[in-house]
Amino acid sequence: NAGVTQTPKFRILKIGQSMTLQCTQDMNHNYMYWYRQDPGMGLKLIYYSVGAGITDKGEVPNGYNVSRSTTEDFPLRLELAAPSQTSVYFCASSYGQGLGNEQFFGPGTRLTVL
Amino acid sequence: EDKVVQSPLSLVVHEGDTVTLNCSYEVTNFRSLLWYKQEKKAPTFLFMLTSSGIEKKSGRLSSILDKKELFSILNITATQTGDSAVYLCAVENGGSEKLVFGKGTKLTVNP
Repeated sequence: NAGVTQTPKFRILKIGQSMTLQCTQDMNHNYMYWYRQDPGMGLKLIYYSVGAGITDKGEVPNGYNVSRSTTEDFPLRLELAAPSQTSVYFCASSYGQGLGNEQFFGPGTRLTVL
Repeated sequence: EDKVVQSPLSLVVHEGDTVTLNCSYEVTNFRSLLWYKQEKKAPTFLFMLTSSGIEKKSGRLSSILDKKELFSILNITATQTGDSAVYLCAVENGGSEKLVFGKGTKLTVNP
């Protein structure tokens, strides 16, 4: 099992550009999450999904969009990149309710918006 | 609003020391508390605690939860330089299915 994979590892964007951060998991987890982590801060939840076709906002959803067309994939879309979106982005997955909620994390994407 | 507070925010010790990291929380519908270790990249899972007073142990690391006082501690004995990392505490809200993370404790172990 590869676990949770994310691409790209690094990206530099100009203000106003758009991009999609990819996330795939091969553990057949129902739940998937996107977090951002700013320096010296914990993880803040952007969006999450409890299953294919279902997504919901987390703590800091503004400026982002997600979709969940399959169990495996949970891409995160930035439409108009802003410097405030410079951060490290982590995707995670878990079995979800009733089976504990240990989240397995991907390696992260470091995004810089200039 | 759910909240997780970790202390201290940073800690510098020498190899062989014992450290205690603290995590206090306020959450509606508590389900579990999790500890993660984050080195350069993604957080890796250490422990999940759901019941009060039961110690989870893995080698030199151990953790315990006090649901009455709403806190947990993570102990590391005989620290090694490889223990240097940020340790994250997270609490699961059983109603929302979400984890709320603290800011983490940055541990530096010097040789």
